[in-house]
Amino acid sequence: QVQLQESGPGLVKPSQTLSLTCTVSGGSITGGSQYWSWIRQPAGKGLEWIGRIYLSGSTNYNPSLKSRVSISADTSKNQFSLKLSSVTAADTAVYYCARDHKWVGELLLPFDSWGPGTLVTVSS
Amino acid sequence: QTVVTQEPSFSVSPGGTVTLTCGLSSGSVSTTYYPSWYQQTPGQAPRTLIYSTNTRSSGVPDRFSGSILGNKAALTITGAQADDESDYYCVLYMGSGIWVFGGGTKLSVL
Repeated sequence: QVQLQESGPGLVKPSQTLSLTCTVSGGSITGGSQYWSWIRQPAGKGLEWIGRIYLSGSTNYNPSLKSRVSISADTSKNQFSLKLSSVTAADTAVYYCARDHKWVGELLLPFDSWGPGTLVTVSS
Repeated sequence: QTVVTQEPSFSVSPGGTVTLTCGLSSGSVSTTYYPSWYQQTPGQAPRTLIYSTNTRSSGVPDRFSGSILGNKAALTITGAQADDESDYYCVLYMGSGIWVFGGGTKLSVL
């Protein structure tokens, strides 16, 4: 089972860009399905899928965030990253990185491995 | 954008049975959405309970089961225990690489 760990600033000013990195250990991000996701959760609220990267370079984003989100990967460091631009207080949340899915035979198992999450607060 | 709907809250008595549902604001949930269910306790990352409609994840007790009921995905807990008191989330695959989580159900066991 791979382990994931989020890292990055815990405080970001409004209108700036939030940047987080997820480091994967216990396996290569080039193994398995090769899809990796970011998910967030504001305090007291539900989970919101932000987007994912496929290591071929393709990405998919939540339509509601698409204009502000960019996800990239660095296979040499076994990491993938999130950038969210023009942040506001509404972007304050715990941000999780996760393996997007793995196949168990013909069955699809989404988000089978998660990082512990990191709180990002948007405030001046 | 399609909204995935869940009951905001539910309560069940210890030993009782409860069914939580996961629907769509427009249309019916089917197996092609690969519905999956997660349990989350405060301060923790979600834990997978059920994937691809009805397959229990490793280590999940058999009192948790998944199904399609009518036009929704369903999570049934049979013989609820105190430590089942948690938030439960479903997620659906919408195609084109897009996942959507439901708003979550806060389950009380009392």
